[in-house]
Amino acid sequence: NAGVTQTPKFQVLKTGQSMTLQCAQDMNHEYMSWYRQDPGMGLRLIHYSVGAGITDQGEVPNGYNVSRSTTEDFPLRLLSAAPSQTSVYFCASSQNRGGEKLFFGSGTQLSVL
Amino acid sequence: KQEVTQIPAALSVPEGENLVLNCSFTDSAIYNLQWFRQDPGKGLTSLLLIQSSQREQTSGRLNASLDKSSGRSTLYIAASQPGDSATYLCAAGTRGSQGNLIFGKGTKLSVKP
Repeated sequence: NAGVTQTPKFQVLKTGQSMTLQCAQDMNHEYMSWYRQDPGMGLRLIHYSVGAGITDQGEVPNGYNVSRSTTEDFPLRLLSAAPSQTSVYFCASSQNRGGEKLFFGSGTQLSVL
Repeated sequence: KQEVTQIPAALSVPEGENLVLNCSFTDSAIYNLQWFRQDPGKGLTSLLLIQSSQREQTSGRLNASLDKSSGRSTLYIAASQPGDSATYLCAAGTRGSQGNLIFGKGTKLSVKP
């Protein structure tokens, strides 16, 4: 199994540009989430989804949009990139929220100039 | 708001030592606690998951315990090896976080040959 696949692995954007970080899982997991990891701040939850068509905000949602049209995919959209969004982004999934092991993708390193 | 704290931030030990990593959390209404390993430039791998009804979980040389009343979890690594060098993160899913995992900042472990 591929598990959780994130693309791209690296991305450089200019301030104001938009882009979509892709996340796909092949484990038929209902729960998917996006985290950002910053030095000294740890991992912080951006958005999450408990199933197709259902999304909700995490701790740091501003500047990001998500949608969940299928069980497999959970893309993260940066609407107008800012230098403060320079970070490493991780997508994660599990069978359900709160009760199962969380599986992570390998991450996307994003730099906003 | 749930807060998860890990002490120490970094730890260096000689090969063969037994060691304990500490994790504390503020919201005792916990659903589960997970310990993860992160290698440099990689995603996170779930090592152990302890449900709220459990006191401990074991996998090989790893043992994790959970004490809800004191808001603490420990990860015990027996007979440490250089290959154990990595950052170890704990994360708690609680009623206050709607079951979403809230992460500590991690303990960076270095095992010297």
